[in-house]
Amino acid sequence: EADIYQTPRYLVIGTGKKITLECSQTMGHDKMYWYQQDPGMELHLIHYSYGVNSTEKGDLSSESTVSRIRTEHFPLTLESARPSHTSQYLCASANQGTDTQYFGPGTRLTVL
Amino acid sequence: RKEVEQDPGPFNVPEGATVAFNCTYSNSASQSFFWYRQDCRKEPKLLMSVYSSGNEDGRFTAQLNRASQYISLLIRDSKLSDSATYLCVVNDEAGANNLFFGTGTRLTVIP
Repeated sequence: EADIYQTPRYLVIGTGKKITLECSQTMGHDKMYWYQQDPGMELHLIHYSYGVNSTEKGDLSSESTVSRIRTEHFPLTLESARPSHTSQYLCASANQGTDTQYFGPGTRLTVL
Repeated sequence: RKEVEQDPGPFNVPEGATVAFNCTYSNSASQSFFWYRQDCRKEPKLLMSVYSSGNEDGRFTAQLNRASQYISLLIRDSKLSDSATYLCVVNDEAGANNLFFGTGTRLTVIP
């Protein structure tokens, strides 16, 4: 089992709120990722990081931001949530030198 | 064009059946290939990596055809617990070496 955690698991909030989705892993992995997945659709990469102080935007344009101050922690922030942000957000990590990614349980976000 | 394309499914098969999924990828430079399994409303979990020579893990067999750029997954003796969505995954060798995920093929094994 992968040691990667996400909180909260479910979040329902109103439009305009600022939210931070937490992701942490205890495997010492350098590479971490955030994906967005709508029901029945493929995963879309929105952010990734190859180590501390490294962050990059993914293939899917996103209004969210990320930070990587510690190896084990990769939070994602939405400054002003909108209904279009309603989705499942999945965090993953991988060891340097491999492509195999391990996923957290996801955060299901609903913006009213 | 999508980086990874999969059989749309859904596949509904009886217990004990053999079922095969195919997947094609567009980036000829890709070097890493995987099958992930995703249960309803859960996170994807690695099922198996796919090696050039093909590989087997119990009832699951994965094959890679680089010339045709397709990957297959064969499940023998299907169990009810095999019901899930199977994601074909390929790395972006020419880019940042991230992974591309297919939409997935849904399998339902019927008693």
